[in-house]
Amino acid sequence: ETGVTQTPRHLVMGMTNKKSLKCEQHLGHNAMYWYKQSAKKPLELMFVYNFKEQTENNSVPSRFSPECPNSSHLFLHLHTLQPEDSALYLCASSQGGDIYEQYFGPGTRLTVT
Amino acid sequence: DAKTTQPNSMESNEEEPVHLPCNHSTISGTDYIHWYRQLPSQGPEYVIHGLTSNVNNRMASLAIAEDRKSSTLILHRATLRDAAVYYCILRTPSGNTPLVFGKGTRLSVIA
Repeated sequence: ETGVTQTPRHLVMGMTNKKSLKCEQHLGHNAMYWYKQSAKKPLELMFVYNFKEQTENNSVPSRFSPECPNSSHLFLHLHTLQPEDSALYLCASSQGGDIYEQYFGPGTRLTVT
Repeated sequence: DAKTTQPNSMESNEEEPVHLPCNHSTISGTDYIHWYRQLPSQGPEYVIHGLTSNVNNRMASLAIAEDRKSSTLILHRATLRDAAVYYCILRTPSGNTPLVFGKGTRLSVIA
C-alpha cells in the first residue's frame, strides 16, 4: 500500500464512450503525475500537476483530458479513444523537487474495444 | 535527464546476493541516481537513491563509483518477491521534472 489509490482498477470501454480515471493520494504531496505504460514499452509521462497547476503536457492527444481539483485528487477524462490507447495508466505523487521519490498507484488497466 | 544503460535481463538464485549494474557516463555533477522497481501487475516502487556516497536502506544498498559514471544496486539476499524490472534513473534537481524510465533490467529469481 503506497498511499496512492486508483479507481477503477480495470476498465473496458468502446471508442465512443466517455469515462474517467480517478487517483487519490493520502501522503500530503503537492505534485501528481499521469503515466502511460503500453505493452513492451517504457513508462511514458503524460501530465504533471504541481500545486494543482499543470506544469507539463507531454504532447498528449486531446482525447485525454486531465483535471486536478486539489492536491490530493487527480482525474483523467477519456473520450473517443482508439484501440491503441489500451494500456496501463499509472498515477504517481511526490513531495515536489527532483530529489524526492515518487509513489505510484496500482494503475488502471484500460482496454478500448 | 541523462541517459542510463542497463542489461536487459539478469538471473539470480534465491537467497543469493544480486548486483544490478547501471552505466551513466554522461552524468552531471548535480544528478541524483534513483532506482525504482516494478513488480508484475503493479506500479513502480521507489527503491533507493544517492548522489555520491554509498547508501543503504531496508530494501537495498546503492554503491556509486568514485567517478559517478556507474552505480550498482545490491539486493543482499534475493527472494522470489524481488523478481521485477529494475530501473536506474538520473534526476537533475532543476524543478519538478518527472521520472524518465528506460527499459530497465528484468530480474528473475530462481528458487
